[in-house]
Amino acid sequence: AQSVTQLDSHVSVSEGTPVLLRCNYSSSYSPSLFWYVQHPNKGLQLLLKYTSAATLVKGINGFEAEFKKSETSFHLTKPSAHMSDAAEYFCVVSDSGNTPLVFGKGTRLSVIA
Amino acid sequence: NAGVTQTPKFQVLKTGQSMTLQCAQDMNHNSMYWYRQDPGMGLRLIYYSASEGTTDKGEVPNGYNVSRLNKREFSLRLESAAPSQTSVYFCASTIAGTFNEQFFGPGTRLTVL
Repeated sequence: AQSVTQLDSHVSVSEGTPVLLRCNYSSSYSPSLFWYVQHPNKGLQLLLKYTSAATLVKGINGFEAEFKKSETSFHLTKPSAHMSDAAEYFCVVSDSGNTPLVFGKGTRLSVIA
Repeated sequence: NAGVTQTPKFQVLKTGQSMTLQCAQDMNHNSMYWYRQDPGMGLRLIYYSASEGTTDKGEVPNGYNVSRLNKREFSLRLESAAPSQTSVYFCASTIAGTFNEQFFGPGTRLTVL
């Protein structure tokens, strides 16, 4: 069965410093992995996805994530945080194209001026 | 394109009342989903419809029913609302075969008193 663990419920960074949001997954197959972002009182927006092509995935707004099979991780990074990055971030896994997504519990990112 | 739309945006019910949450998508997607979001819980799948004419239970189906009215529309019904169903409800849709990248609606905030 697939599952995903977001290792931090809340991360706080200063504007201009790097962002690291950690995600570990469990999957019986070669998974698809996603990061979604949710700004306050909004729906979810796809940041990036991994689907067995390049292990380093680039997304929108300068975010990227690296798939590491040996570590079963898919951490999200950004070199320099911006105030507009403050939001809830969800790591998501899917075993195959026909199984529903499984969401992590989310990491709230705060950016301090 | 409007994408995924949900109505209503907000709703307050009394315990025991019934209501239907509406969802529609104009992207010609095959699959549609209903999630609930509670603080610290991430998104949990209630029901999904892999294609028109089919529906399946997700992780938390108790107390809910769904109808896939046609390819565009997927409704969620609460027959007898309970305070435990106070939540934010999201509808999502996806094209089959695109590694499950889902597009989300803006959400319905439901309070059951």
